Order: sequence, then C-alpha cells, then structure tokens
Amino acid sequence: AQTVTQSQPEMSVQEAETVTLSCTYDTSENNYYLFWYKQPPSRQMILVIRQEAYKQQNATENRFSVNFQKAAKSFSLKISDSQLGDTAMYFCAFIVQVNRDDKIIFGKGTRLHILP
Amino acid sequence: NAGVMQNPRHLVRRRGQEARLRCSPMKGHSHVYWYRQLPEEGLKFMVYLQKENIIDESGMPKERFSAEFPKEGPSILRIQQVVRGDSAAYFCASSPPVIYRGRTYGYTFGSGTRLTVV
Repeated sequence: AQTVTQSQPEMSVQEAETVTLSCTYDTSENNYYLFWYKQPPSRQMILVIRQEAYKQQNATENRFSVNFQKAAKSFSLKISDSQLGDTAMYFCAFIVQVNRDDKIIFGKGTRLHILP
Repeated sequence: NAGVMQNPRHLVRRRGQEARLRCSPMKGHSHVYWYRQLPEEGLKFMVYLQKENIIDESGMPKERFSAEFPKEGPSILRIQQVVRGDSAAYFCASSPPVIYRGRTYGYTFGSGTRLTVV
C-alpha cells in the first residue's frame, strides 16, 4: 500500500527564519509525482510545489524548495524567509502515475506557526 | 475561469437526516475526487468519478454514502441517515482527463463543505 508519513505534527518558527518540514513515503512504483499542499485557516487547499520523480533536480518556487531523496523516499519542504502568511497546515502528498487513473494520497499534515 | 465550486460551504444536519454535498469541477475537467477531512487529520480519499462513471470508490463507507457525477450538472456526495461521526470537512477536487495532465499535473480543490451533525 502507498503511504505518506509526516513525522512533525506541529512546528513553530520566528518570522524570517528558515523551516524544513519532513515527509517520507512508501511505494514500489518508479514513476510518480510528489506535492506539498498548504491549507490556511480559510480551509482552501493550495498547491505549493510539485516534483516529478524522474527528475533529479529539486523543485523550487520562490521561497519554497524541496529536498527530494528518491532512494530514501524522502521529500522535505524548505520555507526560506518565512512570513506570517505561511502559517497553515502543510500536507505532503503523492500520486503514483499521471498516465493512468489513480488518486492522490495525503499525509496527516504538519501545523506550522510563524511567530512575529 | 471559476475554480472548483462546492456548496454549501456549511451544512448542519440532525442525526438521521440526509446530507447532499455538491461539486462543480473546473471548466474542462472531467474527473472529480471526493476527500474527507476529520478534525486535525489529513485528507482521506473517498471516491473518484468521471462523468456517469465511478472509477474508484475504495475509500467510501459501504453503507449510507453514495456519489454520482451525472452527464449534466454537478457531482453529488450523498450521506443518508447521518450520524455524529460524519461531521467533517468534505473536499472535492477536479482534474483534466489523463491524457491532458502532463507536467503541470495537480488537482484543483474546492473550498470544502463543513458538515456538522447535531
């Protein structure tokens, strides 16, 4: 079975600091996509960043970057220069393949507090 | 280009009543997914539908829950005879057909329906 594990239920950092959220996953497949979603208090699910498993280069979106270690099945999210608006639940997720019918599997989330 | 529209945003039902949650996917998206989020939990997959077809319902409870995505109109998640344990946020997401997903792939989510059973 495919699973996603986020070992940090809750984290707090000071504004402007850098924070890393960890995620591990389990699959026997070789081709898949990985995602980080943000859920602020508004409850909206917002896609933060995606990574294709066949790409070795780590994805980057402005202040958000990932450390993708395929052999270790690890996919951590780094937020640089954190801002108050980054306060949210963050969910790690993956889907096995995009060229067949499948669904995204989510971890339980990490609640991130950015402190002023 | 409206996103995924879910309504109602909040729904209160008494135990034993029926709850009907609606989801209109993004324009051009033909696939709909329903997820349930319990308090302080992640999103748990429930069901995956295409127009007039259920692709995967492995996450749906066997009783009281059903889903449809008719040829015309929104997708409906229906919960009969609701119980307190059904209280949760229900999210709908949509995606384009498989062949069009490409490298930008990722679901588009609605804002969810928070169901409260009293």
